Amino acid sequence: GAGVSQSPRYKVAKRGQDVALRCDPISGHVSLFWYQQALGQGPEFLTYFQNEAQLDKSGLPSDRFFAERPEGSVSTLKIQRTQQEDSAVYLCASSLQGIQPQHFGDGTRLSIL
Amino acid sequence: QQQVKQSPQSLIVQKGGISIINCAYENTAFDYFPWYQQFPGKGPALLIAIRPDVSEKKEGRFTISFNKSAKQFSLHIMDSQPGDSATYFCAAGKDGSYKLIFGSGTRLLVRP
Repeated sequence: GAGVSQSPRYKVAKRGQDVALRCDPISGHVSLFWYQQALGQGPEFLTYFQNEAQLDKSGLPSDRFFAERPEGSVSTLKIQRTQQEDSAVYLCASSLQGIQPQHFGDGTRLSIL
Repeated sequence: QQQVKQSPQSLIVQKGGISIINCAYENTAFDYFPWYQQFPGKGPALLIAIRPDVSEKKEGRFTISFNKSAKQFSLHIMDSQPGDSATYFCAAGKDGSYKLIFGSGTRLLVRP
């Protein structure tokens, strides 16, 4: 497809379970970003990849959050031992290089029960 | 210093009217200011962006006005249509960097 693809679109998990969210960026895009969007709020930066290198993970809320992009294309955001406060929409974005323009996927809505 | 403050939180406009959304920033190093449009269940989509070397940029019915001295920028939607009903986010960043700081969003409703 032409756009950023995220899966699953919806994920429900029980507190304490591990979850994995997938992002397929636009082909050829070097930069990949993960954001967290709480209900009624703007996206908040989580982490940034340039190719396979994770250059900034300063926005990850805790060490339960882990992201990888091993071959410089598909990326996975993993959340271990999920908590209720992890409930949010997780957005992935990609760009040819750096800050702009960023193309967003439709997100994964994560609900922790 | 990294915050971007957006107002109003919500806005109701009649069809054909002008919608105006405002943002303010603190970090003078910011030099890239995009606006995103988000429909329910969808990701944000880039509408229009501006750099500080111009005071205004227009694309169709959408105009960004930029006031560098006041550290403010705004989005104007002319001839607002019901299809424009969405949430709008301003953002700020530094060209050559990668991090975008988003405002908290404005929920726009355009009444027929």
